[in-house]
Amino acid sequence: QVQLVQSGAEVKKPGASVKVSCKASGNTFTNYDINWVRQATGQGLEWMGWINPNSGNRGYAQKFQGRVTMTTNTSISTGYMEVSSLTSEDTAVYYCARGISAYYSPGKGWLYFLDVWGQGTTVIVSS
Amino acid sequence: SYELTQPPSVSVSPGQTASIPCSGDKLGLKYANWFQQQPGQSPVLVIYEDTKRPSGIPERFSGSNSGNTATLTISGTQAMDEADYYCQAWDSSTVIFGGGTKVTV
Repeated sequence: QVQLVQSGAEVKKPGASVKVSCKASGNTFTNYDINWVRQATGQGLEWMGWINPNSGNRGYAQKFQGRVTMTTNTSISTGYMEVSSLTSEDTAVYYCARGISAYYSPGKGWLYFLDVWGQGTTVIVSS
Repeated sequence: SYELTQPPSVSVSPGQTASIPCSGDKLGLKYANWFQQQPGQSPVLVIYEDTKRPSGIPERFSGSNSGNTATLTISGTQAMDEADYYCQAWDSSTVIFGGGTKVTV
């Protein structure tokens, strides 16, 4: 059973950057995407982007383009997500999740879902 | 950009059926997935590919998707099903989440 284990909580000052890691157990790390999703207290899930460890291809939500960088280190089955220029609005729990791009159907498009999630990393931005 | 809309809350009596709608333009022409999130926990996939349950998800959870609406149905709702539920679809290489529905039992 694949597990995703994330790094610990962070407290950052406004204007700083934060880098969160997500380590996958098992030996299938390069077969799937790593997605990053965040959730502010009392709010819904907000998708930030994805990266494919095998190809290096990635896609970011428009809201985060230019401020988020997603990378991977396949030798240690770990994904990373860095957010720069932090503000209090970035205070949230950040999750990584494995993305499955199962297949394409002409009538329905791609089947894409997130089947395994990390435990979450709390990031607090405060002066 | 594509949007998915869910009601903020749904109430259901124990043992009854809860239906949680998720609407989007021609959503039936995309695959819908559903997540359950208990307080303080990570989301868990409960339905994928419109109707399929991952291993370990109880049979009381089912899904459908046609027209502009996908629906998560919880039959014989139990107290442990009280949680937030999110629908999700894939559009233009992006993951789209609905705003979430709090189910109160």
